[in-house]
Amino acid sequence: NAGVTQTPKFRILKIGQSMTLQCTQDMNHNYMYWYRQDPGMGLKLIYYSVGAGITDKGEVPNGYNVSRSTTEDFPLRLELAAPSQTSVYFCASSKSSGNTIYFGEGSWLTVV
Amino acid sequence: RKEVEQDPGPFNVPEGATVAFNCTYSNSASQSFFWYRQDCRKEPKLLMSVYSSGNEDGRFTAQLNRASQYISLLIRDSKLSDSATYLCVVNLFSGNTPLVFGKGTRLSVIA
Repeated sequence: NAGVTQTPKFRILKIGQSMTLQCTQDMNHNYMYWYRQDPGMGLKLIYYSVGAGITDKGEVPNGYNVSRSTTEDFPLRLELAAPSQTSVYFCASSKSSGNTIYFGEGSWLTVV
Repeated sequence: RKEVEQDPGPFNVPEGATVAFNCTYSNSASQSFFWYRQDCRKEPKLLMSVYSSGNEDGRFTAQLNRASQYISLLIRDSKLSDSATYLCVVNLFSGNTPLVFGKGTRLSVIA
């Protein structure tokens, strides 16, 4: 069972570069999320989507962009990478707002 | 201010001990409650949902206290493999807004 799949698993970026973290889910969930988690800290919500064509900012959206053209995919774009964006990024999905959230395995990003 | 708060720990307990964590939430109208487990360098995974009447899954018991606005997780007969961070998750807001995660309570079970 695939669930939530994120790529890449690891990436090193130089300051100022851009990249896209890919996320896809095969559970036909309406809701999708992007979180970041710094070492020893809690999850912080970056962006979320309640359905195709709809996205909303979370707690820490600055420096990121998202799109939701299909139910399955929710890519996260980093423009002009900064060292402060070094973190682990988790994509997640759920059927609706009050339901169980399922996470991908995470993407480890280092900006140098 | 709407929040989900947990004692960060760490809770260091010997194998076989019983340990309990609480999590307070700020919105009395919250309806959905969960406990997640996160191992080091891994994604969070659902441990159990929390039902109004309380529920049990093996060595794990979850309780909801609406009057005092907290949920609890009790782990009996702790195993080394229970060492992890336990995240409390609550729907603090109505409508389409996402569930809110607490920062987690770290548990270390020691041989």
